[in-house]
Amino acid sequence: NAGVMQNPRHLVRRRGQEARLRCSPMKGHSHVYWYRQLPEEGLKFMVYLQKENIIDESGMPKERFSAEFPKEGPSILRIQQVVRGDSAAYFCASSPAFGGPGYTFGSGTRLTVV
Amino acid sequence: TQLLEQSPQFLSIQEGENLTVYCNSSSVFSSLQWYRQEPGEGPVLLVTVVTGGEVKKLKRLTFQFGDARKDSSLHITAAQPGDTGLYLCAGGAQETSGSRLTFGEGTQLTVNP
Repeated sequence: NAGVMQNPRHLVRRRGQEARLRCSPMKGHSHVYWYRQLPEEGLKFMVYLQKENIIDESGMPKERFSAEFPKEGPSILRIQQVVRGDSAAYFCASSPAFGGPGYTFGSGTRLTVV
Repeated sequence: TQLLEQSPQFLSIQEGENLTVYCNSSSVFSSLQWYRQEPGEGPVLLVTVVTGGEVKKLKRLTFQFGDARKDSSLHITAAQPGDTGLYLCAGGAQETSGSRLTFGEGTQLTVNP
């Protein structure tokens, strides 16, 4: 019973390139959440998705960031034209459709923009 | 905007000592969760509390949810080096999953042998 799988674990991009971060939720989980963590800080909510639907994107920057969770395949967090300030650890969490005691987090993707 | 403040931010103690970490907010949360995070890994859920005044124990860890559901504490008895890590509290708008979490900034605990 695999947990939440994120890939890649580490991603290096030059300024102006695109970054694609992938998240496969736990088996049986249909809700996915993306969080960003800067060094020495807590996690900041970005977006909450269900299959083919964005439920809450109030934490997403207005430009350059987008997320999707297609009917088939993993959830994707996409960052276009990356800047140095995008360097952070990006975590994905998943939860069951209804109820459940909490959220299961993946190991994260560490994005470094050079 | 809901905020969670954790204190202390850093805590360094000797093995065998007891400690308490606090998580406070001016907002009411339907649920309060505690996570532990180790370097290079994602947070791991320790406990979820949903009822005001609720106390939960997990071996040497005791979690309490305030009566007004605005604050919580984590108490560790006889700390061990394996307890070292970043402890995060997170508040949810629902008793169960299905909503965004608001995280505190974390308490970095170091337990020295």
